[in-house]
Amino acid sequence: SYELTQPPSVSVSPGQRATITCSGDKLGDKYVCWYQQKPGQSPHLLIYEDSKRPSGIPVRFSGSNSGNTATLTISGTQAMDEADYYCQAWDSSTAWVFGGGTKLTVL
Amino acid sequence: QVQLQESGPGLVKPSETLSLTCAVSGGSISSGTYYWSWIRQPAGKGLEWIGRIQASASTNYNPSLKSRVTISMDTSKKQFSLKLTSVTAADTAVYYCARGVYDSSGYRFDLWGQGVLVTVSS
Repeated sequence: SYELTQPPSVSVSPGQRATITCSGDKLGDKYVCWYQQKPGQSPHLLIYEDSKRPSGIPVRFSGSNSGNTATLTISGTQAMDEADYYCQAWDSSTAWVFGGGTKLTVL
Repeated sequence: QVQLQESGPGLVKPSETLSLTCAVSGGSISSGTYYWSWIRQPAGKGLEWIGRIQASASTNYNPSLKSRVTISMDTSKKQFSLKLTSVTAADTAVYYCARGVYDSSGYRFDLWGQGVLVTVSS
């Protein structure tokens, strides 16, 4: 089965850049999505097709995907960005696959 | 706008069947573009895709749960349902219904319900 690996936690200072990675075999050959989930809320789509933002998502959120690693970058991180972040891809063997999630702490 | 709302018992006994329904409002459930899905999340843990159904009634399930899962759809009621048999404490989780999309931009879940907590306990 296909697996996506994320770091359990990432810390960042307000105003700095946060980087969250997602690793999987030949992940660059697949489209990756990112979801944000705040405590007590359901996840919502943050990035799709590796780097596209749905309407209403701030421009400080960006994504990239190459080789075996996809990256979510938050530029100028704000306190409100403190949340759990999940990557997701689709694989023919496992269908919809999520990474284990990364807890972003804004110190 | 389209909204999803889960409903069902919050407490299920071990070895019994978990049954949940997701009501779709504000839009069509019959479009072949969408993959109506169930996703779960144990407390403090990550997301796990359970399975999906399309308007054609085509289904696909997570291999790890396939033997216990059935997803069905009632287009006249604009709802789809999840049945998970022989539950154990490991099935305790928040269960979400979600709308999956597949197009030239790949697969993604663009709409989620608010989730329902299901606890498996005697």
